[in-house]
Parts: sequence; C-alpha cells; structure tokens
Amino acid sequence: EAGVVQSPRYKIIEKKQPVAFWCNPISGHNTLYWYRQNLGQGPELLIRYENEEAVDDSQLPKDRFSAERLKGVDSTLKIQPAELGDSAVYLCASSFRLSAGGMETQYFGPGTRLLVL
Amino acid sequence: GQNIDQPTEMTATEGAIVQINCTYQTSGFNGLFWYQQHAGEAPTFLSYNVLDGLEEKGRFSSFLSRSKGYSYLLLKELQMKDSASYLCAVRLDYKLSFGAGTTVTVRA
Repeated sequence: EAGVVQSPRYKIIEKKQPVAFWCNPISGHNTLYWYRQNLGQGPELLIRYENEEAVDDSQLPKDRFSAERLKGVDSTLKIQPAELGDSAVYLCASSFRLSAGGMETQYFGPGTRLLVL
Repeated sequence: GQNIDQPTEMTATEGAIVQINCTYQTSGFNGLFWYQQHAGEAPTFLSYNVLDGLEEKGRFSSFLSRSKGYSYLLLKELQMKDSASYLCAVRLDYKLSFGAGTTVTVRA
C-alpha cells in the first residue's frame, strides 16, 4: 500500500514569494491533516479536512495561508507571501475516520522542507 | 493550552534498554500515541494506549497511567537503527497534540 505522498520534498524561496505544497493521502482515507514542524519541535496542526470540508482551520494563519482539498482526495497548502518565520517542515497526514472517538491512526508523509531566505 | 513534556535527549548503548517518559496535562484525553521519526523523514506510528497498562509490540512497549498523566515508551535490545526522535502525542477527539520529541542516540 502506498503511503502519503508529498511534493516537493525541498523548497527554497525568497521572502515575499508564494509557495505551494501538494499532498496525496493514502487511498480510502477520508481525513487529511496539514501540520507544521519547526526544528526541534513536534508537529503542530494547521488544518484538518474531512472529505472536502475543512472542519478545523483555527490554527491556520489565514492572512497568508490557504488550503484546499478538491474532490476530497489531494490537497494543496499555499503560503502567499512567505515570511522568514515560515521556514519549517510541512507535513501532511491522513487517516480513516469511521466515528467520533474511535481508534484512528494518522499516517504521515515525508514532508516538504521549506527554507525562506 | 496543552502541556506535554518529554526529555530532550537520551543516549544508550546497543543492546541495552531505554525508557522514554512522557507527562501530560491536557484539557481532555482520548488516547496517547508514540511515533518514531528519523531525521528528515516522516513520523511513523509505533503504539497507541487508551486504557491504563502496558502494550507490548516486539521490542517496543508502551505504558499508560491516566490518573498520573504519564506514559513511557520502552525500547529493548537497542539497535543502531533505533537512533531517532520519539514523539509522544495526546489525542483529544481527532486532534493530536505533540511533545517536542526525545532524540535517542544509540552508541556501539
């Protein structure tokens, strides 16, 4: 079974430039997450989708970040314009959510390592 | 906010045992996960505890005490490939709140 796929793996941009990350979740997984992981820290949730609906975007900095999950499968996360503090690893994860409270394991992709100069 | 604490670094010798502790103070609790993350790679699922007690899975075991807000991950018969960061994460409904991770270095 293929895992979560993300691209690109690495991205270097200058500040104020736009950048986009792409994620393809595990087939059949209805829930998709975007996390940001700063160096030496654990991942922090940015946004969660159930199918095509963003059900929790409370942690997403909406002035510069946007995300979409068309057709409830692939997702893109965009930053425009990027700032120096956005340098981090952006992780995508997916899971199959059957019911609230049920066992649900999130499977992570390899991440996109972003460096803003 | 959620408070999840784990040691920053641990070092152990190949073949030995290491125990990584995780303490948490969170607004709710629906389970505790342990993930392993090698440098530059994705976190990979190791274990899940929702009830008190010990869950054993090969060389790895995880323990939970909900009343104490405490968990540990036990790595036995350490191998060089076990050198990685180990992340403790508390689940609140669907949301995972992660600790900062414990970097384990295995020496020959």
